[in-house]
Amino acid sequence: SAVISQKPSRDICQRGTSLTIQCQVDSQVTMMFWYRQQPGQSLTLIATANQGSEATYESGFVIDKFPISRPNLTFSTLTVSNMSPEDSSIYLCSVGGGGPTYEQYFGPGTRLTVT
Amino acid sequence: GNSVTQMEGPVTLSEEAFLTINCTYTATGYPSLFWYVQYPGEGLQLLLKATKADDKGSNKGFEATYRKETTSFHLEKGSVQVSDSAVYFCALSDVGAQKLVFGQGTRLTINP
Repeated sequence: SAVISQKPSRDICQRGTSLTIQCQVDSQVTMMFWYRQQPGQSLTLIATANQGSEATYESGFVIDKFPISRPNLTFSTLTVSNMSPEDSSIYLCSVGGGGPTYEQYFGPGTRLTVT
Repeated sequence: GNSVTQMEGPVTLSEEAFLTINCTYTATGYPSLFWYVQYPGEGLQLLLKATKADDKGSNKGFEATYRKETTSFHLEKGSVQVSDSAVYFCALSDVGAQKLVFGQGTRLTINP
């Protein structure tokens, strides 16, 4: 399985600011995913990021709030824009999703607190 | 749409007890099924998987069998350890959309 790292591992930010989270993979992958895990909750998919195309956002998530870049096959960023306390969550990137089993492998997550 | 339902938590057991965490699913087609584990302060790790009916996934003493007739994928371990304390997520692959659908998670605490 791929080794995935995320930066930063945690951050405390003020409302109204933006934070960019980086996700680095040790091998080339086609599909990368960004998830949000609110405190005590399950994972919610924010968007799917394929290299060379625009990210595909899930219902309830918009590009203006969560812009995503995918410049190559080993790297992606997620920006949380104009943050409010409701954005306090763990943000996780994952890779995989390809056939035949569509399993995914996750990074360690970025713990974000917005004050 | 596809969905996954896990037993309500939290679950607290004594060391060496038998563990069952129930998971049922609703899906069209033939999804793959997964159990992920999240240790405190960490990301998710794939614990085990099963890709077709009657497959048994196993890892680190945990097992789960893909039961199509009951649409279930219950996680079991014969003798739990304190180090098994974590949150466990059941998930299925939404084949058409190439993404995972997660259950709500079950927090497991093992007391010595």
